[in-house]
Amino acid sequence: GQSLEQPSEVTAVEGAIVQINCTYQTSGFYGLSWYQQHDGGAPTFLSYNALDGLEETGRFSSFLSRSDSYGYLLLQELQMKDSASYFCAVIFMNTGFQKLVFGTGTRLLVSP
Amino acid sequence: DAGVIQSPRHEVTEMGQEVTLRCKPISGHDYLFWYRQTMMRGLELLIYFNNNVPIDDSGMPEDRFSAKMPNASFSTLKIQPSEPRDSAVYFCASSLARAGGQFFGPGTRLTVL
Repeated sequence: GQSLEQPSEVTAVEGAIVQINCTYQTSGFYGLSWYQQHDGGAPTFLSYNALDGLEETGRFSSFLSRSDSYGYLLLQELQMKDSASYFCAVIFMNTGFQKLVFGTGTRLLVSP
Repeated sequence: DAGVIQSPRHEVTEMGQEVTLRCKPISGHDYLFWYRQTMMRGLELLIYFNNNVPIDDSGMPEDRFSAKMPNASFSTLKIQPSEPRDSAVYFCASSLARAGGQFFGPGTRLTVL
């Protein structure tokens, strides 16, 4: 089967840098995505990594190491509006289909 | 573009009733996904379509659930008969590529009494 692990909660202060880790176990790995979800809202796509390395988009960066089955989301210059849940999602091949499984999410609390 | 549109935004129904959720994907997107989110089970992929054809419905929990995509701009998720354990937020999402970023609609909050 597939499994993803990410911390349930992370706290940080405004202006700080925070890293949310995600480890996964799956066969047929294709890529890793990150989504942000505010309370009562819908998930919003942040990034996608298919190859090893760092992808940077503004204040957010995402990293993948396929050999370690590990990725992380890095949020810099934290703002209060970054308080939300962050989900990693693994994409893998299964019985000829591409499937996507979400982690349980990490709740980020940013304080003043 | 208006983004992914879902209706209704809220639905309250009684056990045994039929429920139909609707979704209009972003124009030009050829993948459409239906998800269910609950506190207990998190975000689960129910089914996804490519070019209006169902590709993988292994996440559909029971035969009470069915989904259709009659054309590129419309999809429905139907629950018949509904049960209290179906209470959840149902999201529709669309994308240009299988592994690319998915754009989610605002969701339908379903409550089955």
